Amino acid sequence: SSELTQDPAVSVALGQTVRITCQGDSLRRYYASWYQQKPGQAPVLVIYGKNSRPSGIPDRFSGSSSGNTASLTITGAQAEDEADYYCNSRDSGGDHLVFGGGTKLTVL
Amino acid sequence: QVQLVESGGGLVKPGGSLRLSCAASGFTFSDYYMSWIRQAPGKGLEWVSYMSSSGTTIYYADSVKGRFTISRDNAKNSLYLQMNSLRAEDTAVYYCARVSREYSYIYDYYYYYMDVWGKGTTVTVSS
Repeated sequence: SSELTQDPAVSVALGQTVRITCQGDSLRRYYASWYQQKPGQAPVLVIYGKNSRPSGIPDRFSGSSSGNTASLTITGAQAEDEADYYCNSRDSGGDHLVFGGGTKLTVL
Repeated sequence: QVQLVESGGGLVKPGGSLRLSCAASGFTFSDYYMSWIRQAPGKGLEWVSYMSSSGTTIYYADSVKGRFTISRDNAKNSLYLQMNSLRAEDTAVYYCARVSREYSYIYDYYYYYMDVWGKGTTVTVSS
């Protein structure tokens, strides 16, 4: 079982805002990173650290954290944002890495 | 450009062995931690192992500890994963990823993120 918990599926209307959450005790101490994965493709980093985006990632993607919950927000979701999203962080012990179970985002 | 290319996947019988390779290019390989992550068919991502830039720090997921060995050759810009005693549940796409680390002065720790990924290599364990 994963130490990071995500909702299995979330949907959003085109152009609206959606928040994808990730819960876990280790998030009280460690930042999460977020990855987007489209079918048949490798994951792509979209958010890391407090709220940093790699070059090439649109600014509609943002990250935040409060207590044991990290969030990925997409402001003005586009059709191309439909994908699986995974959070990742260090585990409670600090030595291992752990992924959330993933959230399938559907853009309606 | 920055690139990771995995190879070595294939079909292997339960109990068998396989060695995966990951060739890095476009960045100074010896400066970075590196990691293996896998994804079973239709399932989520699972972290497998990571290794520090010098190779002195290594961690494994409990599911592979004692069976898998991560290694690197900085002179060849390559990362490896030796997989022994393979089981059906090891069937997955195996990704190699570059691990970047940044220090948080506020929280006094390093946080990690995987900023470059390869396309993956498929391992199938079946009789």
